[in-house]
Amino acid sequence: GNSVTQMEGPVTLSEEAFLTINCTYTATGYPSLFWYVQYPGEGLQLLLKATKADDKGSNKGFEATYRKETTSFHLEKGSVQVSDSAVYFCALSDQAGGSYIPTFGRGTSLIVHP
Amino acid sequence: EAQVTQNPRYLITVTGKKLTVTCSQNMNHEYMSWYRQDPGLGLRQIYYSMNVEVTDKGDVPEGYKVSRKEKRNFPLILESPSPNQTSLYFCASSLSGNNQPQHFGDGTRLSIL
Repeated sequence: GNSVTQMEGPVTLSEEAFLTINCTYTATGYPSLFWYVQYPGEGLQLLLKATKADDKGSNKGFEATYRKETTSFHLEKGSVQVSDSAVYFCALSDQAGGSYIPTFGRGTSLIVHP
Repeated sequence: EAQVTQNPRYLITVTGKKLTVTCSQNMNHEYMSWYRQDPGLGLRQIYYSMNVEVTDKGDVPEGYKVSRKEKRNFPLILESPSPNQTSLYFCASSLSGNNQPQHFGDGTRLSIL
C-alpha cells in the first residue's frame, strides 16, 4: 500500500535559519504530492502541491520538488520566521487501484525561536 | 468565504451516549471525508464520500457511521461511543477525489469518559 515517511520532530530553529523537512513516499501509481500546515487550534491548510515529476510547488517562501527517482518531496524555506511555527504534514493522493484514501505522514512540529 | 464548518468544536460525553458531529461545506465539493488525529499516528481517514449517497470506508471505520444525503453535509455519527474514540476529528472536502487538495474544518475535540 501507499505510505509517507516524514522526519520526526520537533525541529527547533532560530529565526532566519534555513529549513528542511524530509518526506519520502511509496505509492502504487503516480501520485500527487502535498504539504499541509497546521497552526495551533486549527485545521490543516494546503501549503503547496506538485502533480508530476520535477514539478516544484511553492508558497509563502516554502518550496518542494517532486523527485520521482528518489521518491521524495522535501520541504524547504530559506529563512524561517517565528510565525512559521506549526506542524507540517506531507501527504499523497494516488488513485491507482481505485483507492480514494489520501495518505498522510505523521507530521513534523517546527518551533522557531526569535 | 469558502469554508468547512464543523460542530461542535469541543464535546465531553460518556460511554454509550450516541453523538453526531456535523460538517458542512459551501464550495460545492463532491468529495468529503472524516479523519481522526492522534498523537504519534498522524491523520487517519475514517470514511469518505465521493458524492451524494455514495460513501465508503477509510482506514479506521470501526465504531463510526456517516451519511451523505445532501452535497454540502457529511455528518459523523458515533452510535455507542467508547473511550478509544477520544480524539481530534477533522472534516475535509475537495472538488473531487481525483488527486485534489483538501480543505479542512477547524476540528472537533471529543472526549469520551
